[in-house]
Amino acid sequence: TQLLEQSPQFLSIQEGENLTVYCNSSSVFSSLQWYRQEPGEGPVLLVTVVTGGEVKKLKRLTFQFGDARKDSSLHITAAQTGDTGLYLCAGLEEAGTYKYIFGTGTRLKVLA
Amino acid sequence: ETGVTQSPTHLIKTRGQQVTLRCSSQSGHNTVSWYQQALGQGPQFIFQYYREEENGRGNFPPRFSGLQFPNYSSELNVNALELDDSALYLCASSRGLAGDPTTDYEQYFGPGTRLTVT
Repeated sequence: TQLLEQSPQFLSIQEGENLTVYCNSSSVFSSLQWYRQEPGEGPVLLVTVVTGGEVKKLKRLTFQFGDARKDSSLHITAAQTGDTGLYLCAGLEEAGTYKYIFGTGTRLKVLA
Repeated sequence: ETGVTQSPTHLIKTRGQQVTLRCSSQSGHNTVSWYQQALGQGPQFIFQYYREEENGRGNFPPRFSGLQFPNYSSELNVNALELDDSALYLCASSRGLAGDPTTDYEQYFGPGTRLTVT
């Protein structure tokens, strides 16, 4: 069974600080997604990365897929209180099963 | 465009009972995936329905079953409920099979149904 581990599990920072969240596995994924989930809601897709080494930017968020497609990172520059939430990575299994494996999640709290 | 909706929002059941959860997919979407999210965990894939047929299943026992209807809405049925089934149940819809590059891999989640088994 493929597993995705995220670190850190919890992160509490001041507004304006930078942070990086990591998503690691020993398995290869054909693509990887990042989601943000707020209390009482379902996850909302932020980005999908497909190619090893790919970097995508979404305003202050930078996503990178590892060269070997086993890991990914999410970097937030100048965090804002609106960034608070649960960040989840999800890898798509190889072999066309269309099954997403979700990470354990990183709970981010940005303090004013 | 209507998003993904789920019902009910909350549900309390007793161990051994059966439950049915419902999901209406986003307009234009023909695929629904179901996930279980335990407290403090990431979602776990239960199964996916594509054009009314199950297409892919996670590590869940047969007492977890589902249906997809011609309008692409879906039901998740859980028999013989156990305490560990207490969780947030999420459904996600997509324009094609989740993970299909022709759909840009997008899937949209509903708000979930919070199931408590006592």
